[in-house]
Amino acid sequence: GIQVEQSPPDLILQEGANSTLRCNFSDSVNNLQWFHQNPWGQLINLFYIPSGTKQNGRLSATTVATERYSLLYISSSQTTDSGVYFCAVDMGGSQGNLIFGKGTKLSVKP
Amino acid sequence: DAGVTQSPTHLIKTRGQHVTLRCSPISGHKSVSWYQQVLGQGPQFIFQYYEKEERGRGNFPDRFSARQFPNYSSELNVNALLLGDSALYLCASSYQGGVEAFFGQGTRLTVV
Repeated sequence: GIQVEQSPPDLILQEGANSTLRCNFSDSVNNLQWFHQNPWGQLINLFYIPSGTKQNGRLSATTVATERYSLLYISSSQTTDSGVYFCAVDMGGSQGNLIFGKGTKLSVKP
Repeated sequence: DAGVTQSPTHLIKTRGQHVTLRCSPISGHKSVSWYQQVLGQGPQFIFQYYEKEERGRGNFPDRFSARQFPNYSSELNVNALLLGDSALYLCASSYQGGVEAFFGQGTRLTVV
């Protein structure tokens, strides 16, 4: 089955720094989503981005489907950005099940 | 509009017992999927239901079952609980399979 690899696994930043999180996937995908999991476990939708570039405030994401990777950019990081960031892909068809990477754990220090 | 709601939020069960977890999707969404997330890992797909029919099943034993009701809400049932079933169970809803999914806050199940 499709493999989803996220890097780095852990990231420690000083408040105000920028960061780039990467997601590689091993096959063509129909859907790609980025999530932020808060300390209480809820997955917060960041981007639905099967291809192209999107921006939302300090966050932006780019997916290059032909090269099978996606990047999540966080600028001017804040302590509230801390948590685990997941990339998840869906190969399409009627099932629509998401396959998640293992996540990047981000810690932003004040 | 309400998001995806799951109940209960926390649950403690004894080995061998049965548990039922519930999920109400976003209004208008017809697809519900269930995921299991153990500590330190990404969520793993268990089931997907669309229009009350099972459309996908992950690699989980037959002790796990689910169903979707006419109002599109869903239940996940787990029989003969094992210690290894302790996890965060997440429900996701989408308008249909293969489009953007939205997750509930999860049910944290502890088996003792």
